[in-house]
Parts: sequence; C-alpha cells; structure tokens
Amino acid sequence: EAGVAQSPRYKIIEKRQSVAFWCNPISGHATLYWYQQILGQGPKLLIQFQNNGVVDDSQLPKDRFSAERLKGVDSTLKIQPAKLEDSAVYLCASSPAGSAWGEQFFGPGTRLTVL
Amino acid sequence: GDSVTQMEGPVTLSEEAFLTINCTYTATGYPSLFWYVQYPGEGLQLLLKATKADDKGSNKGFEATYRKETTSFHLEKGSVQVSDSAVYFCALNTNTGNQFYFGTGTSLTVIP
Repeated sequence: EAGVAQSPRYKIIEKRQSVAFWCNPISGHATLYWYQQILGQGPKLLIQFQNNGVVDDSQLPKDRFSAERLKGVDSTLKIQPAKLEDSAVYLCASSPAGSAWGEQFFGPGTRLTVL
Repeated sequence: GDSVTQMEGPVTLSEEAFLTINCTYTATGYPSLFWYVQYPGEGLQLLLKATKADDKGSNKGFEATYRKETTSFHLEKGSVQVSDSAVYFCALNTNTGNQFYFGTGTSLTVIP
C-alpha cells in the first residue's frame, strides 16, 4: 500500500514570497491533517479535513495560510506571503474514517526555509 | 488546555542499555495516548498506543502503560539497539473531534 505522498521535499524562498505544498493521502482515507513542525518542537496541527470539509482550523494563521482539499482526496497548503518564522517542516497525515484512536499515517514532510 | 510534557533530550545510551523516556499529560476527559517515532529522514510512525487507563501498549520491544493516577505514559525498553536511534514523540488524542497534541520530542542515540 502506498503511503502518504508529499511534494516538494524541500523548498527555499525569500520572505514575502508565496509557496504551496501538496499532499496525497493514502487511498480511501477520509481524514487529512496538516501539521507544522518547527525545529526542536513537536508537530502542531494547522488544519484537519474530513473528506473535503474542514473539521478544525483553529490554529491556522488565516491571514497568510490557506488550505483546500478538493474532491476529498489530495490537498494543498499555501502560504502567502511567507515570513521568516514560517521556516519549518510541514507534515501531512491521513487516517481512515472512524479512526478515533490515532491511527495517523504521516508523509515524509516538506522542509521550508524562508530567507 | 490539553497538553503533553515530554522528557527533554538528547539521550545517548550504549547498546543493550535500559531506556526510559518520561511523558506526562494534561487533558480533560479520557484521552488516548500514543508514542510516535521519527527515524532520520522519514515521517512519523505510530510506535504504540493505549486507549484507556491501565492499558499497556507494546511494539518492537517498547512498552508504555497508561497511568491515569499519575497522568503519565512513560516509554520503556529493556535493551536498546543502534537501530532504535530516532526521535520519539508522546502524543494524546482528546477523542473529541480527533484533535492531537504532541510533545516536543526526545532524540535518542544508541552507540555500539
């Protein structure tokens, strides 16, 4: 079974530029998560989708971050404009519907550096 | 609010040593508890879990017991191997809306 795919793996941009990350979850997984992992910290949830609807985006900085999950499959996370403090690894995870006990499957992440 | 506090690293052990990584949590209700592992260059993988008090999760020689009285979920392994070198994250799921909270991670290096 293919795992969670993410691209690109690495991205370097200058502040005030825009960037987008893509995630393709495991086939059939209804729930999709985006996390931000700053160096030396644990992952912080940015947004959670159930199919193509948003379940939780309370920690998403909506003035600059946006995310969508069209057709309830793959998802895109965008930052516009980027700030220095956005430098982090952006992790995508997915889980099957009804997985209330934490069976999250993570992708390899996208490492973003903002200069 | 809900949170996870994890023992800070880095931790360096010799092969076959005993490992303990401490994790305590704060949560309302009855969360589920997890340990995830992140090997170099890879994504997070679920290592073990426990969904109710006194449950013991185990996998690959690692164990952790859900202790409600001490709000703890310490990770243990009796004899570590070089291949166990990774970053370990304690996490909880509030079970209301499937919201997760992660600890800051503990880096483990096992030397031959």
